[in-house]
Amino acid sequence: KNQVEQSPQSLIILEGKNCTLQCNYTVSPFSNLRWYKQDTGRGPVSLTIMTFSENTKSNGRYTATLDADTKQSSLHITASQLSDSASYICVVSDRGSTLGRLYFGRGTQLTVWP
Amino acid sequence: EADIYQTPRYLVIGTGKKITLECSQTMGHDKMYWYQQDPGMELHLIHYSYGVNSTEKGDLSSESTVSRIRTEHFPLTLESARPSHTSQYLCASSVTGGVYEQYFGPGTRLTVT
Repeated sequence: KNQVEQSPQSLIILEGKNCTLQCNYTVSPFSNLRWYKQDTGRGPVSLTIMTFSENTKSNGRYTATLDADTKQSSLHITASQLSDSASYICVVSDRGSTLGRLYFGRGTQLTVWP
Repeated sequence: EADIYQTPRYLVIGTGKKITLECSQTMGHDKMYWYQQDPGMELHLIHYSYGVNSTEKGDLSSESTVSRIRTEHFPLTLESARPSHTSQYLCASSVTGGVYEQYFGPGTRLTVT
């Protein structure tokens, strides 16, 4: 069964600190992995997309890593800001269907305190 | 900022009413999607479309229906709303082919009393 598991479920950090969010997946055949940021009451916004051959990708203070062998990914946030408070969702796409189905994790709820 | 819009943003309605959630995009994307999301849970695909006059059911069974008469418009209709339909509904669109990016609308928070 294709699944995406994220940890921790929730995380509280102080402004200016770094943090790392984890994602494990069992989706096969693998096509790509995405990290989305979803603010409360809003739709998800893409942060990074990585294909099988990519190990790391950065978007400003966000850096995602991918280990396709162990089927693990992480999202590292550097020098956190209050605006980083949101749910971070790991999404994996398969290449076994014409649609390129997306499998969503439940997200990590990050809260940044001043 | 993605050019995909959803109306209404919030809707509170009584049981048995018919409702239509609107979704439109100005990016010319062929593919459009409807997802359902409950608090703290993952998004579930309920409908998708490859293009005009194409509609398919997603992974999660839904009593809603969709139509795709125009490329930019993908409305979702519930003929008779029930409390079990209370949820957040997210619309998305993407191009066809390659490692496509899905752009999401802001969502409609539906509450059925």
